[in-house]
Amino acid sequence: IVMTQSPVTLSVSPGERATLSCRASQSVSSNLAWYQQKPGQAPRLLIYGASTRATGIPARFSGSGSGTGFTLTISSLQSEDFAVYYCQQYNDWPPWTFGQGTKVEIK
Amino acid sequence: EVQLVESGGGLVHPGGSLRLSCAASGFTFSFYWMTWVRQAPGKGLEWVANIKQDGSEKYYVDSVKGRFTISRDNAKNSLYLQMNSLRAEDTALYYCAREYSGSSYFDSWGQGTLVTVSS
Repeated sequence: IVMTQSPVTLSVSPGERATLSCRASQSVSSNLAWYQQKPGQAPRLLIYGASTRATGIPARFSGSGSGTGFTLTISSLQSEDFAVYYCQQYNDWPPWTFGQGTKVEIK
Repeated sequence: EVQLVESGGGLVHPGGSLRLSCAASGFTFSFYWMTWVRQAPGKGLEWVANIKQDGSEKYYVDSVKGRFTISRDNAKNSLYLQMNSLRAEDTALYYCAREYSGSSYFDSWGQGTLVTVSS
């Protein structure tokens, strides 16, 4: 399954809303996770089951969607949220596949 | 606290071999599937291989089949990746990650170990 994220880069001002998209080449049901990766750090799990926040993840992060279309929304961007975000499907495997990433940068 | 610490990376010539290790602590290692994910310099994430709790099931991405072998030692709380016939395209930061459950997402990650394949 090919995962395609858009946009490649998203320029957002602090305090604004960010909306990231992830599309699967075929249905993955709700078996979709989102990760955040900051420079020089390992990825961190944000969302699983398309919409469930992982432990310790702030409520400003929310996920939605099912089937082939998914969205990660950051309601009010904080300085620590500027990073690269990846989606990953775990419905049809192997392989487990990631999107190519969306970089959220400061506008 | 879950901790995953990778080691064993380094510079190797094309065609060479390397064995990566991942030391786990802070959880019952034998209860979890474990995974290797890699990230080429400046690129995205690529799942490489994973292994069931008892080692009875293993899966690999096509590009490493026949060259890489994943294994684990539950008595030592350790995960391994034996990499043979290395190619330049295997150059990446290799992360060890814990799967929440079999065929699932990755809820804890190590900091990675860098493998560079170059002559």
